Amino acid sequence: EVQLVESGGGLVQPGGSLRLSCAASGFTFSNYWMNWVRQAPGKGLEWVANIKQDGSEKYYVDSVKGRFTISRDNAKNSLYLQMNSLRAEDTAVYYCVRDYGDFDYWGQGTLVTVSS
Amino acid sequence: QAGLTQPPSVSKGLRQTATLTCTGNSNNVGNQGAAWLQQHQGHPPKLLSYRNNNRPSGISERFSASRSGNTASLTITGLQPEDEADYYCSAWDSSLSAWVFGGGTKLTVL
Repeated sequence: EVQLVESGGGLVQPGGSLRLSCAASGFTFSNYWMNWVRQAPGKGLEWVANIKQDGSEKYYVDSVKGRFTISRDNAKNSLYLQMNSLRAEDTAVYYCVRDYGDFDYWGQGTLVTVSS
Repeated sequence: QAGLTQPPSVSKGLRQTATLTCTGNSNNVGNQGAAWLQQHQGHPPKLLSYRNNNRPSGISERFSASRSGNTASLTITGLQPEDEADYYCSAWDSSLSAWVFGGGTKLTVL
């Protein structure tokens, strides 16, 4: 059974940093692109970033470029999102999502709240 | 980054048919199609249809997807109470090198 379990969310002040993690199991993690997708409270879905199987390609939504960094450790079956210079508008549930051509498996999400 | 366009809400009666639309451009929907996701309140989204209009294993045949030009459609037949949810489309935008989503359609089953 495919499982994606996010962790690392919480309350952080504007300008602060946070590192999200996603533990993957039930599939060969190193064979898939992986993504972070977020959803602000009461709002729609927004793709944040993705990373190729071997980490050689990464893409970001414009609003997080230069502030967020996606990475992975295939030996640990883990995906990460380092978030720096956080803003109030980054407040959202962050989902770890497997990419099998499309977003086929989603984690339960971890809530990030940016507030003073 | 520009997203895809979906109507904010659609309402249909029990056992009726609903068709949801998603409009993009030649760089996203018109290029490789759109996938469809269903999200119930308080839960993560679930993939209903791949961009090639195929359904993942376990998804009911009542859900079918299609595309015409830059517009993708999701048709849900025999509406059931459990179909009441938010529906999102997604596509890869080759000009942006980014995934884009529609704003979502809230489906109400009367």
